[in-house]
Amino acid sequence: AQSVTQLDSQVPVFEEAPVELRCNYSSSVSVYLFWYVQYPNQGLQLLLKYLSGSTLVESINGFEAEFNKSQTSFHLRKPSVHISDTAEYFCAVSGGSNYKLTFGKGTLLTVNP
Amino acid sequence: GAGVSQTPSNKVTEKGKYVELRCDPISGHTALYWYRQSLGQGPEFLIYFQGTGAADDSGLPNDRFFAVRPEGSVSTLKIQRTERGDSAVYLCASSLAMGNSPLHFGNGTRLTVT
Repeated sequence: AQSVTQLDSQVPVFEEAPVELRCNYSSSVSVYLFWYVQYPNQGLQLLLKYLSGSTLVESINGFEAEFNKSQTSFHLRKPSVHISDTAEYFCAVSGGSNYKLTFGKGTLLTVNP
Repeated sequence: GAGVSQTPSNKVTEKGKYVELRCDPISGHTALYWYRQSLGQGPEFLIYFQGTGAADDSGLPNDRFFAVRPEGSVSTLKIQRTERGDSAVYLCASSLAMGNSPLHFGNGTRLTVT
């Protein structure tokens, strides 16, 4: 069985500031790791994923996450956020299959002008 | 292009009633998933279809919940004798297949049981 802990339920930041959204997981097997984003009034969208290979993965809109096996973490970072990044972010893990995702409770990122 | 469509977007029902929630996946996606998101929680897996068959229904909370996908496309999640604790957003997702294909989620159906 897997579990995911998102340590911050809310993260308020100012525009152009850096941000880190924390995610820790536990699993007894090798894992795939994901970040999903939910913009207001929209469905969940895949932001980025780690399946294998390079431990640093990037999204097209400037977010990156690093898989750290020893710390069982997959923190999400962006060096400079925009107001349009305001959304809820969910970290998720699967135990080797792509379908049975276990999600964290989510982190609401609010970017203020 | 069309994404995953869920209807209705909102459903209010009385305790004890029967409800059906519909999911239209992206055309050509063979895999379909149902998740449930309660207030303040992340989505929780309910059931997964590969084609017409339920490959994994281990997340269904009890036998009041049932889902079908008779022609391998549209799926219906059915809840009998609804309880107030069933109130949640029910999410549907689809993907090309298992493996590395990303899940595409619909906007969900918000179910409120009064």
